[in-house]
Amino acid sequence: ETGVTQTPRHLVMGMTNKKSLKCEQHLGHNAMYWYKQSAKKPLELMFVYNFKEQTENNSVPSRFSPECPNSSHLFLHLHTLQPEDSALYLCASSQGGGSGADTQYFGPGTRLTVL
Amino acid sequence: GQNIDQPTEMTATEGAIVQINCTYQTSGFNGLFWYQQHAGEAPTFLSYNVLDGLEEKGRFSSFLSRSKGYSYLLLKELQMKDSASYLCAVHNSNYQLIWGAGTKLIIKP
Repeated sequence: ETGVTQTPRHLVMGMTNKKSLKCEQHLGHNAMYWYKQSAKKPLELMFVYNFKEQTENNSVPSRFSPECPNSSHLFLHLHTLQPEDSALYLCASSQGGGSGADTQYFGPGTRLTVL
Repeated sequence: GQNIDQPTEMTATEGAIVQINCTYQTSGFNGLFWYQQHAGEAPTFLSYNVLDGLEEKGRFSSFLSRSKGYSYLLLKELQMKDSASYLCAVHNSNYQLIWGAGTKLIIKP
């Protein structure tokens, strides 16, 4: 396995379901990120973890709940979502440490559809 | 507020050259990134600029002018596989990455 992997690649869920997205990075990085990507909009940063500690939560609704058990794994737990939450959810990782050249590397994303 | 502006869509011909512009207004500046994203795939890193000037990487070059809050990505000898969205992003003074909405580049034979 190389780079950043995400599962599942596609997910269809009802508004009352509970599901989880998984991200794993094999780059030895210390920072991990969840983004939401909607059509024709900039990437929206949702959560940031540095060395397993959550350092950013950009006013994300509580129906999205992140979990970072170690530096290599990141989860996004979903419950009682709304149709407007349908989007591509991208995970990324970087070396961390707050330098300007801290390049983020992305997984392929999970295409989420909420019915 | 902070924002990144780039054209929504551009069309170019195979074999030609295209320049994708990006202007930014951010609270401080600590570097600018360009990413390529093919439809349904992950964004992939193309280039990083922190000092003024041109950075060349094969067919792709990226230019930065910090005084003008401006960057461009130059793609030469266009190939059909270059059809993708190109995302501009800036690290602000807090090292938050501010993203543009992306430019969809369509290459025609």
